[in-house]
Amino acid sequence: DGGITQSPKYLFRKEGQNVTLSCEQNLNHDAMYWYRQDPGQGLRLIYYSQIVNDFQKGDIAEGYSVSREKKESFPLTVTSAQKNPTAFYLCASSLSGFSGELFFGEGSRLTVL
Amino acid sequence: AQKITQTQPGMFVQEKEAVTLDCTYDTSDPSYGLFWYKQPSSGEMIFLIYQGSYDQQNATEGRYSLNFQKARKSANLVISASQLGDSAMYFCAIVRYSTLTFGKGTMLLVSP
Repeated sequence: DGGITQSPKYLFRKEGQNVTLSCEQNLNHDAMYWYRQDPGQGLRLIYYSQIVNDFQKGDIAEGYSVSREKKESFPLTVTSAQKNPTAFYLCASSLSGFSGELFFGEGSRLTVL
Repeated sequence: AQKITQTQPGMFVQEKEAVTLDCTYDTSDPSYGLFWYKQPSSGEMIFLIYQGSYDQQNATEGRYSLNFQKARKSANLVISASQLGDSAMYFCAIVRYSTLTFGKGTMLLVSP
């Protein structure tokens, strides 16, 4: 079945460590997105990519980095510079950057101890 | 900049009754789109319904309908005949170019 796979589902890390969240899609979608969700905050955009080898900062990009070397993959690295990294992270894709409708993965819950 | 406001942190409804979840938006763009997503406790986001700013009729998808009032900048979600499985967080979102801006969500609880 086509879809978006995020891994790991749960992740625990010590403060000061970088961590990379994986996002893979087999929908042949051009655009991919990373959102962060905190309780009571809704979803906030971290980074997005409309085509391979190109990406743009969202509203809360500080302390995060991404790469888009392949169409299917859009990994997110939470760096030690991110002051409050504990959150639920959602990856999404859309057919093209202008189609609007997003298809989401099941999310990754990161807890920094 | 786009903004979405969902004023109801939580809503309760009895099974089989209808419920309206409020959403107001702010945008200066003449062309925009509005989405509603459902997020069950498992965490995934499920697309429910879409309304384009130039659509003449309110969108409907099964038990979901969107009460779109452009002049008031509101796009309320109406769920008819609520089911226990409708208990979830519901998010309204507005699209501009290639990104979605989400509201803070409304938690809906459906009781037997």
